Amino acid sequence: LAKTTQPISMDSYEGQEVNITCSHNNIATNDYITWYQQFPSQGPRFIIQGYKTKVTNEVASLFIPADRKSSTLSLPRVSLSDTAVYYCLVGDLRGDSSYKLIFGSGTRLLVRP
Amino acid sequence: GAVVSQHPSWVICKSGTSVKIECRSLDFQATTMFWYRQFPKQSLMLMATSNEGSKATYEQGVEKDKFLINHASLTLSTLTVTSAHPEDSSFYICSATNPGLGTEAFFGQGTRLTVV
Repeated sequence: LAKTTQPISMDSYEGQEVNITCSHNNIATNDYITWYQQFPSQGPRFIIQGYKTKVTNEVASLFIPADRKSSTLSLPRVSLSDTAVYYCLVGDLRGDSSYKLIFGSGTRLLVRP
Repeated sequence: GAVVSQHPSWVICKSGTSVKIECRSLDFQATTMFWYRQFPKQSLMLMATSNEGSKATYEQGVEKDKFLINHASLTLSTLTVTSAHPEDSSFYICSATNPGLGTEAFFGQGTRLTVV
């Protein structure tokens, strides 16, 4: 299982771009990288997923270098409502029934006015 | 997108009683479901993984006789906390996957259990 390492916490201000990096040195060839957001007393919410290079959707971008040993979640122009915990997960859910969805410690992002 | 619904959202029970939490995939078939427990300001801790029609696989340190998991159909999994004690008070979250839907896991909204 690929273990992930993220900063425990980050602070930012409204309107700034926030980049959260995740290390996953032993990522496997078939593993995808997925980021989730969690608000207090709620289940995690999918943000973005990628395999390599760059992926962008309406809420975030995900940058993955060629060696795939790390990834960076980029949140453009954060607002107060982006204050949450962000989790990076790696794995392959496509067919291996023994795969376990394991969460790391996550990054607690605080956005200040 | 795919929706996973948990019920109840919160429950308070007396010490020694049992509580059942349901996790349903509303618009897809969940071939695998994961159950997590989360304490305040901590990450989600995987308790068990269940595949439809098979016995659940429990993580080390999770008592299978205390946390009964049933995944009898492709749309429903249940977690029963038996003989609950105050230390079982926590936030329980389920997740469901289906390889046919890609590589995303879909999470329920969680259940807050308080044992008094």
